[in-house]
Amino acid sequence: GAVVSQHPSRVICKSGTSVKIECRSLDFQATTMFWYRQFPKKSLMLMATSNEGSKATYEQGVEKDKFLINHASLTLSTLTVTSAHPEDSSFYICSAREGLAGVTGFGPGTRLLVL
Amino acid sequence: EDQVTQSPEALRLQEGESSSLNCSYTVSGLRGLFWYRQDPGKGPEFLFTLYSAGEEKEKERLKATLTKKESFLHITAPKPEDSATYLCAVQARETSGSRLTFGEGTQLTVNP
Repeated sequence: GAVVSQHPSRVICKSGTSVKIECRSLDFQATTMFWYRQFPKKSLMLMATSNEGSKATYEQGVEKDKFLINHASLTLSTLTVTSAHPEDSSFYICSAREGLAGVTGFGPGTRLLVL
Repeated sequence: EDQVTQSPEALRLQEGESSSLNCSYTVSGLRGLFWYRQDPGKGPEFLFTLYSAGEEKEKERLKATLTKKESFLHITAPKPEDSATYLCAVQARETSGSRLTFGEGTQLTVNP
């Protein structure tokens, strides 16, 4: 249970381009999805929380116009890194949960490298 | 503000050498405490959820325990394949969206 997929697993792009990362819950309906960023040998840093059909809630210091989050259905959320720059290079991980008390499943992560 | 502190940051064990990882937390009303395992370049893999002090859960060589201030992940007779980063996270009852607050993790290396 709580199986989450992410696509792509790895992406390399040029500075200034936009990159979209998809997060899907495969065996459950995800009422809430979370997007994290992880730096090497560091823990997960929560970027934003999204509930299906609502606007995402961003953590302090995270630019909502740069990291666009869409949670249009109960099984899909997308993170778009707009006008990416080298400092946006990182490991992005999504997670999804059904309801408030369900197990939170994590995606396998997306490695973004901006040249 | 919810806080999670894990110790040690890194731990090296010989195969078969049992040990424990610590997760200290402060949270305004605990909904659940979670343990995850993360391999390099991959997302966290769920291990356990603990909900109340005194609760214990086991899975193969791993056993998680919970008190009102901390949780321990006991590893009995570890094998090299147990090498990974172990993450602890808490979920507060009233947090909007009930998000998880993670510790920095303990990087475990088990040598053959």
